[in-house]
Amino acid sequence: QVQLVQSGAEVKKPGASVKVSCKASGYTFTSYGISWVRQAPGQGLEWMGWISAYNGNTNYAQKLQGRVTMTTDTSTSTAYMELRSLRSDDTAVYYCARDPGFDWGQGTLVTVSS
Amino acid sequence: SYELTQPPSVSVSPGQTARITCSGDALPKQYAYWYQQKPGQAPVLVIYKDSERPSGIPERFSGSSSGTTVTLTISGVQAEDEADYYCQSADSSGTYPNWVFGGGTKLTVL
Repeated sequence: QVQLVQSGAEVKKPGASVKVSCKASGYTFTSYGISWVRQAPGQGLEWMGWISAYNGNTNYAQKLQGRVTMTTDTSTSTAYMELRSLRSDDTAVYYCARDPGFDWGQGTLVTVSS
Repeated sequence: SYELTQPPSVSVSPGQTARITCSGDALPKQYAYWYQQKPGQAPVLVIYKDSERPSGIPERFSGSSSGTTVTLTISGVQAEDEADYYCQSADSSGTYPNWVFGGGTKLTVL
């Protein structure tokens, strides 16, 4: 069965960077794109961007342009999301999801605190 | 920026029908997807492409579309259906996926 397994929780200081991984199994990795979605405590879902696992093309949410980078490693079927210049309002659970949303990772809590 | 509008909350008694709406100008041109999210869990897709149901999702979940509004209907609501529900679609512009989420609707089973 399809599984997306994400890396563990992170605690970062303001201004630092975080890189979250999402390891896929149970399907042909390069046949589907991966979206990243985050959810701040008590808030709704926010789409962060998308990456094609086939050719690496990306599309980022406008509000995160310049701070986020999404990449993939096809040799390990793993997608990565790096967010830089972290602020307190980046504190959230970060999810990866396989297009078009059938399968999601378990979520990674990123806490930004001084 | 493009927005999808959902009611913040819907309440129904067990066995009744719950309807959750989602409105957006691009919905006539873009498919809608519905997710169920329970506390502390990742979202689960319950409807895709407006009205298709993934395998494993109970038949009481259905979706429909009319103009700029899509509706998630849960017939014969059960206590286990209490959750947050999010609609998701795409901005009609651009070549690559560009997801947009509604604000979410909290379904309370009385």
